[in-house]
Amino acid sequence: QVQLKQSGPGLVKPSQTLSLTCTVSGDSISRGGYYWTWIRQHPEKGLEWIGYIYYSGTTYYNPSLRSRLSISTDASKKQFSLRLDSVTAADTAVYYCARGVDLFGMDVWGQGSTVTVSS
Amino acid sequence: DIQLTQSPSFLSASVGDSVTITCRASQGISSSLAWYQQKPGKAPKLLIYAASTLRSGVPSRFSGSGSGTGFTLTINSLQPEDFATYFCQQLNSYPLTFGGGTKVEIK
Repeated sequence: QVQLKQSGPGLVKPSQTLSLTCTVSGDSISRGGYYWTWIRQHPEKGLEWIGYIYYSGTTYYNPSLRSRLSISTDASKKQFSLRLDSVTAADTAVYYCARGVDLFGMDVWGQGSTVTVSS
Repeated sequence: DIQLTQSPSFLSASVGDSVTITCRASQGISSSLAWYQQKPGKAPKLLIYAASTLRSGVPSRFSGSGSGTGFTLTINSLQPEDFATYFCQQLNSYPLTFGGGTKVEIK
């Protein structure tokens, strides 16, 4: 059974960098077919797709975040990570990692990480 | 970006009722639509993909239909565990986008 477990700080200061990691168990992130994805949800709001990384290293980012965003993998640790620079209060949200399948959807999700941007 | 408009944003229903949620896309997305269920404090859970295909393990009272720009999610005979928020998501083009959500509450 595939599981995703998220880790990272819950509080980030304005203008600093938000970093989250998602550790995959029960599957290999080096296998094709899956898009290792980050999604966020602002308080009491809808869902925003952030971006993905494919096993080949190909990434695709939401244009609204592209200039500040980086998603990477560490296959040896079975992890993929999110890095969002120069954060503001508008980046306060619950962040989810997920496994995406083309034209299928996000079939496995992490538990969610509440990140607050505040001094 | 493709905009998804869900309606209603909120609905109140009783156990045993049937409810229908609509998701409208700003441009045609073929059948590249998924539906998710989210309960408070939990991650969304995939229910339906390719607009009408029920994911394995999801109860058959859930059904989806539509293509192009108009889609529906129907829940027949609502059960207590179905009271939640439902989101649609388009997978036709990047960036992937979600509808604003429909909260189904107990009347």
